[in-house]
Amino acid sequence: EVQLVESGGGLVQPGGSLRLSCAASGFTFSSYWMIWVRQAPGKRPEWLANIKQDGSEKNYLDSLKGRFTISRDNAKNSLYLEMNSLRVEDTAVYYCAREGGRETADSWGQGTLVIVSS
Amino acid sequence: DIQMTQSPSTLSASVGDRVTITCRASQSISSWLAWYQQKPGKAPKLLVYEASGLESGVPSRFSGSRSGTEFTLTISSLQPDDFATYYCQQYNSYPWTFGQGTKVEIK
Repeated sequence: EVQLVESGGGLVQPGGSLRLSCAASGFTFSSYWMIWVRQAPGKRPEWLANIKQDGSEKNYLDSLKGRFTISRDNAKNSLYLEMNSLRVEDTAVYYCAREGGRETADSWGQGTLVIVSS
Repeated sequence: DIQMTQSPSTLSASVGDRVTITCRASQSISSWLAWYQQKPGKAPKLLVYEASGLESGVPSRFSGSRSGTEFTLTISSLQPDDFATYYCQQYNSYPWTFGQGTKVEIK
């Protein structure tokens, strides 16, 4: 069974940083593109970034303007999202997801909540 | 970015009703359209991929179709477990974008 478990969320002040992690199990992690998606309270999901199997290719939402960095460690079956210069509007539940054989997000974690507030 | 516009935003229906949700893309996305179901406090769940492909394990009462840049999710006979919010999402080009959602409520 595919399992994705996010961690690292919490309360952070504006301008601060956080590193989110996603632990994958139940599938060959190194064979799949992986994705980060966030969802602010009461809003639609927002795709943030994805990363190729070997980490050689990454795509980002333009509005992140270099503040967020996606990475992975295939030896640890883990996906990461480094978030810097956090803003109040970054408050959301952050999900990692697998880009499966359907070429879209076919499996999602339960999410980790990030609250940016002073 | 490609804009995805769903309608209606809210839909009130009864168990057994046939329900249709529409999603329109601002430009051609071929058939690179997915539908997700989301329940409160849970992650989205993939229902339909490539406009009309039913994800494994999803009941056959769900179906998707495409006409140009307009896409439809149909639930043939609404069941109690189907009351949720539904999102369309294009994956034709980056950034992937979602519709604003359709909340299916109990009438």
